[in-house]
Amino acid sequence: QKEVEQNSGPLSVPEGAIASLNCTYSDRGSQSFFWYRQYSGKSPELIMFIYSNGDKEDGRFTAQLNKASQYVSLLIRDSQPSDSATYLCAGGGISSNYQLIWGAGTKLIIKP
Amino acid sequence: NAGVTQTPKFQVLKTGQSMTLQCAQDMNHNSMYWYRQDPGMGLRLIYYSASEGTTDKGEVPNGYNVSRLNKREFSLRLESAAPSQTSVYFCASSYNTPGKEKLFFGSGTQLSVL
Repeated sequence: QKEVEQNSGPLSVPEGAIASLNCTYSDRGSQSFFWYRQYSGKSPELIMFIYSNGDKEDGRFTAQLNKASQYVSLLIRDSQPSDSATYLCAGGGISSNYQLIWGAGTKLIIKP
Repeated sequence: NAGVTQTPKFQVLKTGQSMTLQCAQDMNHNSMYWYRQDPGMGLRLIYYSASEGTTDKGEVPNGYNVSRLNKREFSLRLESAAPSQTSVYFCASSYNTPGKEKLFFGSGTQLSVL
């Protein structure tokens, strides 16, 4: 059973601090990883994707991938109240015919 | 540019009733998907269509059927609704396979089966 695990939260972070969201996966064949943000009652939207080991930065967001540890993380710097949402981690690769396996999401709350 | 349009937004059914969820995209994407989202669970793939004329089962296909009507439209049909199908349904599309690129989602359908 291919799985992607996330702590459901909620994770509460003060405004301006760094929010750290984590995700582990069981399928070593997974090759690409995605972070989607989902506001309450809305559909998911892509924040970041990462294919290679290491860090990938885009503005206030940094995705980190460690394939040896089967671990993916998302860092949000200078957290804003508008970052309050559920963050979904998903992975895919040849073993899943490139269809995404999704985590249940982590609810993030940024406190002003 | 509308993106992915999904209808209806809300639906209440009685057990045993049937209905079709409609989805259309105007981004010239090849691949389309139907997911369901339940509390405490990740998105689960019901069916997908990698290209016009093809459909494949996902993780949870039982109780559903799909039709890829043309490149733009991909519908999901519940032939005999059951309470276990109460969920939020999302249609999505991508130019290629989702494991390699961004998925675009519709706004979702909240379905309740009584």
